[in-house]
Amino acid sequence: GAGVSQSPSNKVTEKGKDVELRCDPISGHTALYWYRQRLGQGLEFLIYFQGNSAPDKSGLPSDRFSAERTGGSVSTLTIQRTQQEDSAVYLCASSQGFGIEETQYFGPGTRLLVL
Amino acid sequence: GDSVTQMEGPVTLSEEAFLTINCTYTATGYPSLFWYVQYPGEGLQLLLKATKADDKGSNKGFEATYRKETTSFHLEKGSVQVSDSAVYFCALGGYSTLTFGKGTMLLVSP
Repeated sequence: GAGVSQSPSNKVTEKGKDVELRCDPISGHTALYWYRQRLGQGLEFLIYFQGNSAPDKSGLPSDRFSAERTGGSVSTLTIQRTQQEDSAVYLCASSQGFGIEETQYFGPGTRLLVL
Repeated sequence: GDSVTQMEGPVTLSEEAFLTINCTYTATGYPSLFWYVQYPGEGLQLLLKATKADDKGSNKGFEATYRKETTSFHLEKGSVQVSDSAVYFCALGGYSTLTFGKGTMLLVSP
């Protein structure tokens, strides 16, 4: 079946603009995660959604970042008033269930460059 | 909080050499441990995992054993191939998400 898909694959924007990044998880997966990968760094957790529960936003770096998950499926990560330090690859992952043993399946990422 | 430390790269090896990439962790509770791999131009893929102490995860000739006493999950392969060239990430599965190390680049030459 189809894996996790993300769009766009690349995004170049000007400082101060808003951007929206989209994630389509694997069908039937109840949990969805967003990570950020800066150049030469590991993955940094941003936010996760599990079923109908309130999302865990503890990893969001500032109030310029927000995310939604509509209908328990597609998710959108929005970055308002982008800054150059927001330049990174944004990765989405999904898992069938939720818990420490669950395998997360990653999408190809959106490469964001803020000029 | 939870953290993962893995050896810095790049690790440069000749084909058929033995590979070890060290990974240690700090965590509260009893996490699961994972190795993910990122091949050039591709997304992250799960390589192997172990969910409890003394478990050994294995896949594609790679192995790692969950060592609670040394809080380690070192990745090993007996004979690497050029196609193993990639970035390898050790990760810890806590209650809500994964905590990743910074990644180790492996370069294998013919």
